[in-house]
Amino acid sequence: GQNIDQPTEMTATEGAIVQINCTYQTSGFNGLFWYQQHAGEAPTFLSYNVLDGLEEKGRFSSFLSRSKGYSYLLLKELQMKDSASYLCAPRDNYGQNFVFGPGTRLSVLP
Amino acid sequence: DSGVTQTPKHLITATGQRVTLRCSPRSGDLSVYWYQQSLDQGLQFLIQYYNGEERAKGNILERFSAQQFPDLHSELNLSSLELGDSALYFCASSVSGATGDTQYFGPGTRLTVL
Repeated sequence: GQNIDQPTEMTATEGAIVQINCTYQTSGFNGLFWYQQHAGEAPTFLSYNVLDGLEEKGRFSSFLSRSKGYSYLLLKELQMKDSASYLCAPRDNYGQNFVFGPGTRLSVLP
Repeated sequence: DSGVTQTPKHLITATGQRVTLRCSPRSGDLSVYWYQQSLDQGLQFLIQYYNGEERAKGNILERFSAQQFPDLHSELNLSSLELGDSALYFCASSVSGATGDTQYFGPGTRLTVL
């Protein structure tokens, strides 16, 4: 199975930077996804990391360390619309269970 | 708009009843996934289909079943409904169904069981 740990809630101020961490345990690692989900809406794809390092995409960056079973999502220049849950989703090679982490609920305050 | 469509948007029914949720994948995607998300719960993977065949099974109850048709749309059937089945049900699709595929989610069907 896969154990995925994320902080339950985080709060940050508009314009600030926030880092959302995810630790996981999985065998046969095959990449890690981050999704954003606004309350009551569908998850939307943010990033996919399969190699170690930082991938930058506009205001959002995602980092992966396979040896540590660790990833983070970095959100810069926070906007009110970034208030949402952020789901970490590691993938294994077996393709039998598509698990998502419990999500981190981010609140961006003015 | 992800390109994945789901109907209906909302469904209200009574315990013991049976409902069918429908999903149409993005154009060109061969794989469909079903997820359940209860209030304040995470996304729970139910089942995956690829080109009409079941490929992976998650925490799907025996009262639930699904299929993918030749035109690639999929249906999730929920029977003998219980109060605890009230949830958002999402369908997602991807190109090939590989574990590294990006999944694109539909808007969901909100099921309320009274």
